[in-house]
Amino acid sequence: AQSVSQHNHHVILSEAASLELGCNYSYGGTVNLFWYVQYPGQHLQLLLKYFSGDPLVKGIKGFEAEFIKSKFSFNLRKPSVQWSDTAEYFCAVINTGGNQGGKLIFGQGTELSVKP
Amino acid sequence: DTEVTQTPKHLVMGMTNKKSLKCEQHMGHRAMYWYKQKAKKPPELMFVYSYEKLSINESVPSRFSPECPNSSLLNLHLHALQPEDSALYLCASSQGDNRVVGGYTFGSGTRLTVV
Repeated sequence: AQSVSQHNHHVILSEAASLELGCNYSYGGTVNLFWYVQYPGQHLQLLLKYFSGDPLVKGIKGFEAEFIKSKFSFNLRKPSVQWSDTAEYFCAVINTGGNQGGKLIFGQGTELSVKP
Repeated sequence: DTEVTQTPKHLVMGMTNKKSLKCEQHMGHRAMYWYKQKAKKPPELMFVYSYEKLSINESVPSRFSPECPNSSLLNLHLHALQPEDSALYLCASSQGDNRVVGGYTFGSGTRLTVV
């Protein structure tokens, strides 16, 4: 079955530090990839998405992610984090075929805490 | 209109109550979804409707009953819930059927507490 793994359960950084959150998925076919952010007490917001084309995707709030097909990875990066980036981050994958086509599968999430 | 609207935002219900959660979108999306999210956990898929027909039921207990009256509306009827059903219930929609999809648009959720 398709699965999504996020390597870090909780990441603690100081402001201005660089961020990289890992995400790997197990499905070998064609996938659509997403990163969502959920600020404390709030709903999911889409940070960025990859469907096809340039594997380096730029999203909102200065975030970017790189799709590396050979590694089944879609890591999220930000050069310099701010206190306001404190949130839960979810990687998610949709496969576009098979009997699970269209199901958005989430990773377990990474809690990011940024110290001012 | 690029939003998914969920009502109510908060709901407290007793274990013998019957209540309904509502979700509405006017983006012309033909797939709609219910997810359940516990604190600090990822959303878990409950139901998928594609072209107003139930296409996926992730073995959800019968005390949760979905309904899709038309292409813009999705309801979740609740009856005889347990305290462990307390969670954030998220509705989402997407453009296509469940094989060719773009991104999902999520609503802000209904925070349900069962007492």
